[in-house]
Amino acid sequence: SQQGEEDPQALSIQEGENATMNCSYKTSINNLQWYRQNSGRGLVHLILIRSNEREKHSGRLRVTLDTSKKSSSLLITASRAADTASYFCATVDNDYKLSFGAGTTVTVRA
Amino acid sequence: DAMVIQNPRYQVTQFGKPVTLSCSQTLNHNVMYWYQQKSSQAPKLLFHYYDKDFNNEADTPDNFQSRRPNTSFCFLDIRSPGLGDAAMYLCATSRRPGLASSDTQYFGPGTRLTVL
Repeated sequence: SQQGEEDPQALSIQEGENATMNCSYKTSINNLQWYRQNSGRGLVHLILIRSNEREKHSGRLRVTLDTSKKSSSLLITASRAADTASYFCATVDNDYKLSFGAGTTVTVRA
Repeated sequence: DAMVIQNPRYQVTQFGKPVTLSCSQTLNHNVMYWYQQKSSQAPKLLFHYYDKDFNNEADTPDNFQSRRPNTSFCFLDIRSPGLGDAAMYLCATSRRPGLASSDTQYFGPGTRLTVL
């Protein structure tokens, strides 16, 4: 069942700007992951943050996790046209199944 | 390169005509998953195999079946496709659950199914 909810549903930014999207979830988690999906393609894993972590970086990506608010954010800095995609958060609870949010569609304008 | 491969990428079938989608992996992962993703929606887990153990999600229709003849291959069978089954079907793999860094799933490119 879907656990995460993402906000906004869609985001349009200029190349070079930062993009921020948020994810909220309902139950306790083991970790939270972010995936990217280019149009009509499979999902690509971006970053995983564990429940005892608060912030994580990977290249131009920065993820935060606030377990008290059951929320996470993904920041993409200095966006590029190639960042145009849908971004999904996914939670992992006490088993190893992913539960995806509905995603945020990001369009980066050249 | 190690990867998850799905064939075909596009599949057209007729209403009620059985169809099989294929997934193979070179990652030697223990777990293989099948997801259904409808347009602008989140991927929805249908079932998964942990080695040979099959795990069906409670809300997966009986119309959907799966086979895993060996570690590398997993098939999704739709016995009598309806118009509502038109979707992207994603296969994914992961390592043995419970190990550190095992929770990442590796996805194939998907098979887009059209039902006429």
